Amino acid sequence: QVQLQESGPGLVKPSQTLSLTCTVSGGSISSGDYYWSWIRQPPGKGLEWIGYIYYSGSTYNNPSLRSRVTISVDTSKNQFSLKLSSVTAADTAVYYCARDHSYGYGTFDYWGQGTLVTVSS
Amino acid sequence: QSALTQPASVSGSPGQSITISCTGTSSDVGGYKYVSWYQQHPGKAPKLMIYDVSNRPSGISNRFSGSKSGNTASLTISGLQAEDEADYYCSSYTSSSTLVFGGGTKLTVL
Repeated sequence: QVQLQESGPGLVKPSQTLSLTCTVSGGSISSGDYYWSWIRQPPGKGLEWIGYIYYSGSTYNNPSLRSRVTISVDTSKNQFSLKLSSVTAADTAVYYCARDHSYGYGTFDYWGQGTLVTVSS
Repeated sequence: QSALTQPASVSGSPGQSITISCTGTSSDVGGYKYVSWYQQHPGKAPKLMIYDVSNRPSGISNRFSGSKSGNTASLTISGLQAEDEADYYCSSYTSSSTLVFGGGTKLTVL
């Protein structure tokens, strides 16, 4: 059974960089069978796709966030990571990592439990 | 990219059927078969219910079905049950090679 688990600081100061890691168990990122995404949900609001990465390192991000987003992969640790720079209160959200089984077309069949990141001084 | 349009809320009584719509454009919903639906209970991660417009993942009840006409996709839940009460989100691949979600619909089982 595939499991995803997000980890990282729950509180980030404005203008700093938010950093999260997703650890995948029960399957290998290196298999090349899936894409791996970050999705967020502000409190009480809807879902927003942030971006995805393939095991090879190729990425594609939401244009509305593109200049601030960096997604990377560490196949040796079976992890992928998110960095979001210059954060503001608007970046406060539950951040999810998810597996896309449709090669980037957006079919997220496994999700992490989510981690709340609050941007506040 | 604009979020796909969903009704804010729908409701139905146990045993009834309800349909949730998801309206986009020819650049997303209307242009691709890659429309998915997710169910989210409070405090939980979303769960995939429908993918590629009308396909159900293994383990999802056949009470859930999906369809698409033009730029609008729909999720139908038949034989409504109390456990179906949740938020539902649609998503679609877009011509910009991005993914967009709907604003979400709160389903209340009366």
